[in-house]
Amino acid sequence: QKEVEQNSGPLSVPEGAIASLNCTYSDRGSQSFFWYRQYSGKSPELIMFIYSNGDKEDGRFTAQLNKASQYVSLLIRDSQPSDSATYLCASSGGGADGLTFGKGTHLIIQP
Amino acid sequence: EAGVAQSPRYKIIEKRQSVAFWCNPISGHATLYWYQQILGQGPKLLIQFQNNGVVDDSQLPKDRFSAERLKGVDSTLKIQPAKLEDSAVYLCASRPGGAGLMANEKLFFGSGTQLSVL
Repeated sequence: QKEVEQNSGPLSVPEGAIASLNCTYSDRGSQSFFWYRQYSGKSPELIMFIYSNGDKEDGRFTAQLNKASQYVSLLIRDSQPSDSATYLCASSGGGADGLTFGKGTHLIIQP
Repeated sequence: EAGVAQSPRYKIIEKRQSVAFWCNPISGHATLYWYQQILGQGPKLLIQFQNNGVVDDSQLPKDRFSAERLKGVDSTLKIQPAKLEDSAVYLCASRPGGAGLMANEKLFFGSGTQLSVL
């Protein structure tokens, strides 16, 4: 059974610092990885996707993928209080089409 | 562009009662998903439709849950009878493509239906 593991947190980071969120996955057949942000009581919204080994940058966000270690991370630079949310890591591929989500990491940016 | 519409927004029922949720995906989206999100957990896929056909229902508790997408557009998810552990947010999502999920393809989520089973 495919699994995506995340530390549930909370992860507390001072405003302006770098927030580092991590995720591991069990299915080596997984091909693509997604980071969703979910505010309390709201639906998930896509922040970034990555499918190649290495780093991918988009504004203040950098996604990192290491397929050998089955490890995905999300870095948020210059963290803002509005970044406080639950961050969900998800995988797709490996024969299944729907996303497999982790439990999410609750991130708190302290002003 | 209108988003994914879901109703009702909230539902409170007693255990053993029945409940139904409705989803209208974005116009033209071929693939529709129902996810269950229990408090403190990530969304779990219940069922996936491509047009009006079921692609994956391996995690759907078929003894009590059913879903349909008869005309390949809107969809209903039903629970009968409900159990306490069914308390969750039920999210509907859709995407335009009908083939396998592409790496850069985004899922569009509805606002969800929050179900409380007492």
